[in-house]
Amino acid sequence: GDSVTQMEGPVTLSEEAFLTINCTYTATGYPSLFWYVQYPGEGLQLLLKATKADDKGSNKGFEATYRKETTSFHLEKGSVQVSDSAVYFCALTRYNNNDMRFGAGTRLTVKP
Amino acid sequence: SAVISQKPSRDICQRGTSLTIQCQVDSQVTMMFWYRQQPGQSLTLIATANQGSEATYESGFVIDKFPISRPNLTFSTLTVSNMSPEDSSIYLCSFRGRDWTEAFFGQGTRLTVV
Repeated sequence: GDSVTQMEGPVTLSEEAFLTINCTYTATGYPSLFWYVQYPGEGLQLLLKATKADDKGSNKGFEATYRKETTSFHLEKGSVQVSDSAVYFCALTRYNNNDMRFGAGTRLTVKP
Repeated sequence: SAVISQKPSRDICQRGTSLTIQCQVDSQVTMMFWYRQQPGQSLTLIATANQGSEATYESGFVIDKFPISRPNLTFSTLTVSNMSPEDSSIYLCSFRGRDWTEAFFGQGTRLTVV
């Protein structure tokens, strides 16, 4: 079945450091891929998404490119801020499929 | 985009009791989803709730333990019944956007069973 494998955390970075959180997936067909963020005490919010191969999702300085050849959707940010401290989830779904599969989540802590 | 409100945000409950979690959406949605997020783990789908029909449960989840109501297109409840400490988790409700790609989530209910 479909699955998402996500880089384990926790990750601790200094402010303005470069961030990469790895995500790879296994799925039949052409899934849509997502990164969700969960700030402390809140629900999940969509950070960015890509619905087909070679698409790049971007938001708030974060980017991820849908790489079908490597079945990956790595999250990157060039310069993290303290306010980026949160848990990040990689996820996939296929059209009209009820189940959205999530990775294990990566906790990011950014220190000033 | 629609707003989804979930309550309570957290609760501490005695084992053997039940807790009902409510989820309200400010627009009509066809399907709502209930997830469990166990400590340090990812989200697992519990069930899918359609208005006017019984919920569809995923493997490992049963109606007697997690009864769900869906009385209309804007509201759903999940009950965690006869709780044990193993039920301590975050429970989230969710619905999908019109293009069926993006999912929207409630704030989550952090349940601790003692």
